[in-house]
Amino acid sequence: QVQLLQSGAEVKKPGASVTVSCKASGYPFTSYTIHWLRQAPGQRFEWMGWITVASGEVEFSHQFHDRITMTRDTSTATVYMELFSLGFDDTALYYCARETFDYWGQGSLVTVSS
Amino acid sequence: DVVMTQSPLSLPVTPGEPASISCRSSQSLLHSDGNNYLHWYLQKPGQSPQLLIYLGSARASGVPDRFSGSGSGTDFTLTISRVEAEDVGVYFCMQAQQTPFTFGPGTKVDIK
Repeated sequence: QVQLLQSGAEVKKPGASVTVSCKASGYPFTSYTIHWLRQAPGQRFEWMGWITVASGEVEFSHQFHDRITMTRDTSTATVYMELFSLGFDDTALYYCARETFDYWGQGSLVTVSS
Repeated sequence: DVVMTQSPLSLPVTPGEPASISCRSSQSLLHSDGNNYLHWYLQKPGQSPQLLIYLGSARASGVPDRFSGSGSGTDFTLTISRVEAEDVGVYFCMQAQQTPFTFGPGTKVDIK
């Protein structure tokens, strides 16, 4: 069955960066785009961007475009999202989701705290 | 960016009774291919969102037929024909017509 397994919780200081991983299984990895989203406490979901796994092409939301990268490792069927220059308002649950948002990872909690 | 609104934001329901949630977008979600790029999700406490309805009215695999979606353009509705206790959680809509994809604020459904 399709699964997206994300990395564990992280605690970071303001100004640091964080990398969240998303390991896919149960389907042809390079056939589907992967999205990254987040949900801060009490807030609605925010779409951060996507990566076309086959080519590595990315598109980011303008809200994050200057401090985010997304990469993939086809040998391990894993996608990575790195967010830089963290602020307190980056505290959130971060999710990966498959192309049509039909499958989601379990979420990775990132806490920014001094 | 497309702004998504939902109403109501809180919906107490009685098992066995119908329930409906409205979702509106600030721009039309009707694509030139004839599809409305509007999806509905349910997020239960402590879980990831699960897709209920895609492209406005298509029921996702494994979703009970008591869930239905309707609407076009900027106005959409999710209807539960007969609410069951397991349907509690936060329902939200999402537009995938244009990036950045955007979400409604969510409607919290609980049992009266």
